[in-house]
Amino acid sequence: GAVVSQHPSRVICKSGTSVKIECRSLDFQATTMFWYRQFPKQSLMLMATSNEGSKATYEQGVEKDKFLINHASLTLSTLTVTSAHPEDSSFYICSAPDGHSNQPQHFGDGTRLSIL
Amino acid sequence: DAKTTQPTSMDCAEGRAANLPCNHSTISGNEYVYWYRQIHSQGPQYIIHGLKNNETNEMASLIITEDRKSSTLILPHATLRDTAVYYCIVRGMNRDDKIIFGKGTRLHILP
Repeated sequence: GAVVSQHPSRVICKSGTSVKIECRSLDFQATTMFWYRQFPKQSLMLMATSNEGSKATYEQGVEKDKFLINHASLTLSTLTVTSAHPEDSSFYICSAPDGHSNQPQHFGDGTRLSIL
Repeated sequence: DAKTTQPTSMDCAEGRAANLPCNHSTISGNEYVYWYRQIHSQGPQYIIHGLKNNETNEMASLIITEDRKSSTLILPHATLRDTAVYYCIVRGMNRDDKIIFGKGTRLHILP
């Protein structure tokens, strides 16, 4: 079945580093992808909608200059956390809708980001 | 904001049926009810969805009230691997519609 793959699954880096997370749809095309953030013991919070060929749409309160989103192709969206700080440590999850499936969206397995 | 309310947590004995309720009193006529679950440190996993009729698949059954203001997810024979957070979501059927997660129900399956 359709799968969404995220890479890396885990990353640990120093404060001030920029970190890129990739989200790929493996056997379907996705003109739209979604990025979520999840803090421990909390629900998923939608950060932004990634749109192929145009700018991402950010949810209220999410800094677009902090979280850069690029939807480079119909199967790839990237989220870059720029100049990451410890408060950016979180679980980042992407999803993509598959128009040929009855499932509304397929989710990746997430990326755990730890900033030291 | 999420359009659903769910109990914060529930316990269920292994082998018994787990019944997870969800209220969605403001659901619109063209909106579906979806259920996902999230096992610790993984992405959400789709379980089932429905519009107004009851639905069943290999994972679960979904019972939607006639007025569509509430629903119940039934896991017929819960196992320890069903321990997870279960999210009830209301959403339209447009491919690019967002999914907004509420707080979900933390289901503990007890041995």
